[in-house]
Amino acid sequence: QVQLVQSGTEVKKPGASMKVSCRASGYNFISYGINWVRQAPGQGLEWLGWISTNHGGTNYEPKVQDRVTLTRDTSTNTVYLELRSLSSEDTAVYYCAREGRQATASPMGWFDAWGQGALVTVSS
Amino acid sequence: QSGLTQPPSASGAPGQSVTISCTGTASDIGAFDFVSWYQQHPGKPPQVVIYEVSKRPSGVPNRFSGSKSGKTAFLTVSGLQADDEALYYCSSIAPRNTLILFGGGTKLTVL
Repeated sequence: QVQLVQSGTEVKKPGASMKVSCRASGYNFISYGINWVRQAPGQGLEWLGWISTNHGGTNYEPKVQDRVTLTRDTSTNTVYLELRSLSSEDTAVYYCAREGRQATASPMGWFDAWGQGALVTVSS
Repeated sequence: QSGLTQPPSASGAPGQSVTISCTGTASDIGAFDFVSWYQQHPGKPPQVVIYEVSKRPSGVPNRFSGSKSGKTAFLTVSGLQADDEALYYCSSIAPRNTLILFGGGTKLTVL
């Protein structure tokens, strides 16, 4: 079955960087794009970005695009989210989520499988 | 661009129906049929219950249905059950700005 398994909890200092991984299994990795969505404590969902697992193309949310990089490793079926210059406002659970349609040229908002989430806390 | 607008709460008795709205603009919901709805139980990742306005993924009960009128999308949950109590989020593509917008979420309570 389709599974997305994320790396674990992290605690970071303000100004530091974070890198969360998402390992996919149970399907052809390069056929479906991967999105990243975060959820601050007690808050709603916020889309951060999308990566084509096939060609590596990316789209980012304008508010974070200067601080975020998505990459993928097709040899290990893993996608990575790196976020730099962290502040307390970046404290959240970070989810990876698979696009529901194959081979889309950009995110379409239908996420049919989600990782378990990775809590990142930014605190001095 | 701010997110999509949802009511903060909705409720209904077991067996009843409830409809949750999600209002956007002419640049997102009003322009595209790429609205999705997600159900989230406490401490769990979201799960899609409706995609592309009215399509239901396999495994989702037909008690869940979606529709759209102009700039507003709707999720209807019929025959409410205790397990339907959760947060519900809508989303839409928004190509002119941030590519994917979410609503603020609606807490559905089964009375």
